[in-house]
Amino acid sequence: EAGVAQSPRYKIIEKRQSVAFWCNPISGHATLYWYQQILGQGPKLLIQFQNNGVVDDSQLPKDRFSAERLKGVDSTLKIQPAKLEDSAVYLCASSFQQNTEAFFGQGTRLTVV
Amino acid sequence: DAKTTQPPSMDCAEGRAANLPCNHSTISGNEYVYWYRQIHSQGPQYIIHGLKNNETNEMASLIITEDRKSSTLILPHATLRDTAVYYCIVRVMGGNEKLTFGTGTRLTIIP
Repeated sequence: EAGVAQSPRYKIIEKRQSVAFWCNPISGHATLYWYQQILGQGPKLLIQFQNNGVVDDSQLPKDRFSAERLKGVDSTLKIQPAKLEDSAVYLCASSFQQNTEAFFGQGTRLTVV
Repeated sequence: DAKTTQPPSMDCAEGRAANLPCNHSTISGNEYVYWYRQIHSQGPQYIIHGLKNNETNEMASLIITEDRKSSTLILPHATLRDTAVYYCIVRVMGGNEKLTFGTGTRLTIIP
């Protein structure tokens, strides 16, 4: 069974530039999560989708971050404009239903310089 | 905010049992205890979960105290590949509750 796919694996951008991350969840998984993990900390949930609807985006900095899952499958997370403090690993995860076991991708490591 | 307390780090000798404690004194009756681990440069990996009975699978055992205020994850025969950060999470089964990670326990397996 294929796992959660994320791309790119690494990205370096200058502050004030924009960046986008892509996630392809496990086939059939209705719930999709985006997490931000700053070095030395646990992952922090940014947004949770159920199919193509948003369940929770309370910790998403909406002035610069946006995410979509238009067809209820793939998802993109965008940052515009990026700040130095956005340097982190961005993790995508999916689960068959809400509150069942979540499977994580390897993440995208973003460095903002 | 995470609802659990874990020691920041632990060491364990290779081949011995690794016992990772977790305190969750404010756990509600409908909240499960989940364990995930994160090996360096990888995403978190689900290990096991339980409500009040002890659970065992091919990776680990989960022992939950009778009052459910604490639990222990047991890796019966630790290997070097078990070196990782282990996260204990309490979460309602069903509903929209978030999967919230704390800072976890960094387990180092020593050869």
